Amino acid sequence: KNEVEQSPQNLTAQEGEFITINCSYSVGISALHWLQQHPGGGIVSLFMLSSGKKKHGRLIATINIQEKHSSLHITASHPRDSAVYICAVRNLDRGNQFYFGTGTSLTVIP
Amino acid sequence: GAGVSQSPSNKVTEKGKDVELRCDPISGHTALYWYRQSLGQGLEFLIYFQGNSAPDKSGLPSDRFSAERTGGSVSTLTIQRTQQEDSAVYLCASSRSGGVGGYTFGSGTRLTVV
Repeated sequence: KNEVEQSPQNLTAQEGEFITINCSYSVGISALHWLQQHPGGGIVSLFMLSSGKKKHGRLIATINIQEKHSSLHITASHPRDSAVYICAVRNLDRGNQFYFGTGTSLTVIP
Repeated sequence: GAGVSQSPSNKVTEKGKDVELRCDPISGHTALYWYRQSLGQGLEFLIYFQGNSAPDKSGLPSDRFSAERTGGSVSTLTIQRTQQEDSAVYLCASSRSGGVGGYTFGSGTRLTVV
C-alpha cells in the first residue's frame, strides 16, 4: 500500500476550467508538499503546507490534518498548466524521509 | 549560479562500473536532498543532508549507493557496480533549514546503465 495516494492519475480539462487534484496519506506528517513537473522539464516546488490553506496566483492548496487529506486547486486553467503534479509528505515518524504520490498528469486543452 | 546545478546532465555507463553524480546547491541552502525517478515511476527519496548533522540515509536502496557533502555545499552521489535497475533520473534539491522558502530542484542527471 502506498503511503501517499493521489487522484485522479490522469486529468484532461478545457482551458478555463476549475481543476482539483486530491492527495491522501496514511502516515503522520510534519509537512506536505505539492510539486510540479513539466514534460521533459525539471521539478518545481509549488507549496509546502502543515496546516490550513495557501494561495499563489491561480493555485490554491489546502490541507486537513485530521482527515489526512490535501487538495490542489487550479482556477481558470491554462494550457501552460499542463504538467504532472506530485504530492509529497515528510514523514513525522521516520525522520526526514519523504513519501511521494505517483503524480497526476494534467492536460489542459485550448 | 541562481539555481541548483547538477552534472552531468546525462550519463551512460556500462553495467558494473562506478558513477559519480554531482549536485551544487543554492548558496546558503543548508538542506540538500537526493531523489531518483525511475522510468514510469514516482519520485523516490534517497538521502538528506542538513548542515553538519549526520545525513539521513534511510532511502538509499543498497550499500552500492553512498553520498557525501563536502563543506556543507557540493554533494556527490556515488553508485558502485552499477546495475541496469539503477537507470533513472537522479534529482537533487536544496532548501534553507526546515524548508523555509521552499525547495529548489536541479534539472537532474539521466543515468543509463547498459
